[in-house]
Amino acid sequence: EDQVTQSPEALRLQEGESSSLNCSYTVSGLRGLFWYRQDPGKGPEFLFTLYSAGEEKEKERLKATLTKKESFLHITAPKPEDSATYLCAVLPGGGADGLTFGKGTHLIIQP
Amino acid sequence: GAVVSQHPSRVICKSGTSVKIECRSLDFQATTMFWYRQFPKQSLMLMATSNEGSKATYEQGVEKDKFLINHASLTLSTLTVTSAHPEDSSFYICSASGSSGEAQHFGDGTRLSIL
Repeated sequence: EDQVTQSPEALRLQEGESSSLNCSYTVSGLRGLFWYRQDPGKGPEFLFTLYSAGEEKEKERLKATLTKKESFLHITAPKPEDSATYLCAVLPGGGADGLTFGKGTHLIIQP
Repeated sequence: GAVVSQHPSRVICKSGTSVKIECRSLDFQATTMFWYRQFPKQSLMLMATSNEGSKATYEQGVEKDKFLINHASLTLSTLTVTSAHPEDSSFYICSASGSSGEAQHFGDGTRLSIL
């Protein structure tokens, strides 16, 4: 069974304090790993797709990396507007295209 | 680009009512649309996958007669919760993808509350 575990569940940082969020996964044949940002009462907003171990993607203060067992979302010098729940999801091998999500990391950036 | 619109955003209705939720891809053609359900502090759980013009594929444990899905065009999918009961209260979110393996883009969800 495909599983995605995100840690920590919640993280509170001071503005400017860099940190990393973890996404560990077990999946039968990874076709892609996705990071999303979700604000309260909203649907997930797409951030990154990673397809193979060693791949990295960057966007503003966010950088996502991928190994064969986990992915990290690095947040550099975060601002209060980066506060959100960050979701990790995997697309397993095979024909089905539905994503398996983790529970997310609730990130709070204090000014 | 890649905007998905979901309507309505919130529904409150009595037990036994059927509720229809629409999901539209506004600026791209979605070969596949997905319906997820999210409980508080829980992960999104896939309910079903639908391809335009085909019957939806439901995940194990999801009642297809309870959750009717129609994907009549490349830009519109609907989810109808039939004879809704309080235990069906949840946050329902749709997503759409232009092709297999591509990122899914999500609507803003529908908060369904059954009294």
